[in-house]
Amino acid sequence: ETGVTQSPTHLIKTRGQQVTLRCSSQSGHNTVSWYQQALGQGPQFIFQYYREEENGRGNFPPRFSGLQFPNYSSELNVNALELDDSALYLCASSSQVTGNTIYFGEGSWLTVV
Amino acid sequence: RKEVEQDPGPFNVPEGATVAFNCTYSNSASQSFFWYRQDCRKEPKLLMSVYSSGNEDGRFTAQLNRASQYISLLIRDSKLSDSATYLCVVNSLYNNDMRFGAGTRLTVKP
Repeated sequence: ETGVTQSPTHLIKTRGQQVTLRCSSQSGHNTVSWYQQALGQGPQFIFQYYREEENGRGNFPPRFSGLQFPNYSSELNVNALELDDSALYLCASSSQVTGNTIYFGEGSWLTVV
Repeated sequence: RKEVEQDPGPFNVPEGATVAFNCTYSNSASQSFFWYRQDCRKEPKLLMSVYSSGNEDGRFTAQLNRASQYISLLIRDSKLSDSATYLCVVNSLYNNDMRFGAGTRLTVKP
C-alpha cells in the first residue's frame, strides 16, 4: 500500500452541484497532485500543491480548485458539476526524497447524473 | 498531437509469451520516465522507472531512447497476473507534473 488515502471512494452528484474530495498524503510527503482519469484514458494532471501553495496547474477550468493543509492533506473542489466530470479522481503524493516518483491513492469515483 | 502516445492495443497473448509495448513522447525536455501498471478499476501503481542505460527488473525490461523520444517495455514469460493496463509516464514542465499515455491493455490467456 502507498499510504495515500482518499475519500469518499464513490459518490453520485447531480449536474450543477458541488463536490469536495479529500486526500491524506503518505507520511513525510509534502507534495500532493490531483489527476482526473476518464474511462479509457490515462490520468490527466489537474494541479499540484506544495507546502500549501498551488505549484502547477493543468488544462482545467477555474471551477476546479484545491487546498492543501499544514499536515499536507489536500482537498479537490469542483463547482458547477458537468456530466463530463464523471471520472476517477486520483490523488498522488511525493516528496524530494521520492524525486519524480508519485504514489497514488485508490481514487474517488465520481458519477455526475 | 498528444504529449505521450502509446500502442493502441489491446494485446492478447498466451502465457509464456514475450510482449513489447512502445511509447513516444513529444517534449524533448522531459527528464523522468516511468511505466505504471493499472488493474481494472484500481489506481495506477509504479512498475518501474526507466533509465537512459536501460534497466531490468525480473521479467520486465525498460528501454529509453532520448534521441528518438521513445520508451519501451518488454515483458518476458508472461503470466496471467500480468493482465492489466500499462501506462507510459513522462514528466513535464514541473517536477511532479506527470503526463500519462492512454495506456495499453494486456490480456494474458491460459
